[in-house]
Amino acid sequence: QVQLQESGPGLVKPSETLSLTCTVSGGSISSYYWSWIRQPPGKGLEWIGYIYYSGSTNYNPSLKSRVTISVDTSKNQFSLKLSSVTAADTAVYYCARAIVGATGDYYYYYMDVWGKGTTVTVSS
Amino acid sequence: SYELTQPPSVSVSPGQTASITCSGDKLGDKYACWYQQKPGQSPVLVIYQDSKRPSGIPERFSGSNSGNTATLTISGTQAMDEADYYCQAWDSKGVFGTGTKVTVL
Repeated sequence: QVQLQESGPGLVKPSETLSLTCTVSGGSISSYYWSWIRQPPGKGLEWIGYIYYSGSTNYNPSLKSRVTISVDTSKNQFSLKLSSVTAADTAVYYCARAIVGATGDYYYYYMDVWGKGTTVTVSS
Repeated sequence: SYELTQPPSVSVSPGQTASITCSGDKLGDKYACWYQQKPGQSPVLVIYQDSKRPSGIPERFSGSNSGNTATLTISGTQAMDEADYYCQAWDSKGVFGTGTKVTVL
């Protein structure tokens, strides 16, 4: 079965760029959408954005100016970059596979496979 | 921006039924899904497309969605169901609910 694993620095300095990679194993990255979600300590889930294997993206408007999600199909990986980080970006970051489609006028989007998450702390 | 509101907490006795609501403007015109998250673990999808259960999710989990409210129902609640639950929908972007902590007393 498909498994996801996040990797990247656990500590990032304020104003720098947070960079994480998600490695997909047990299946191909092709033909699916891939998402990033974060969860600040003690708080709820926040959707960051997604990328289709072909490269098209959709970002949360609240983060859009600072976020870039990219995909490397040759490595079965996708990545997250978040620039100009502050302490408010401290969170557990999850990658997930998203299922996207529509039935008539109804559009669905849900995440059926999640990584274990990686903690990123923003501090000097 | 679109918002989904859930009650902060729900308490239920073992074997009883727990109902968790998720409210949003015309949510019934969208598809809702639900995730279960236990402490220190990543979320697990328990309901998608309003009422469908992924493989491996017990039948005691069910969902509905109409009007402005989606509901996750846990029938015959077990101690292992104690967790945080989040609803989620799509409104040109992914939107999560505020989350509900289910306590099995």
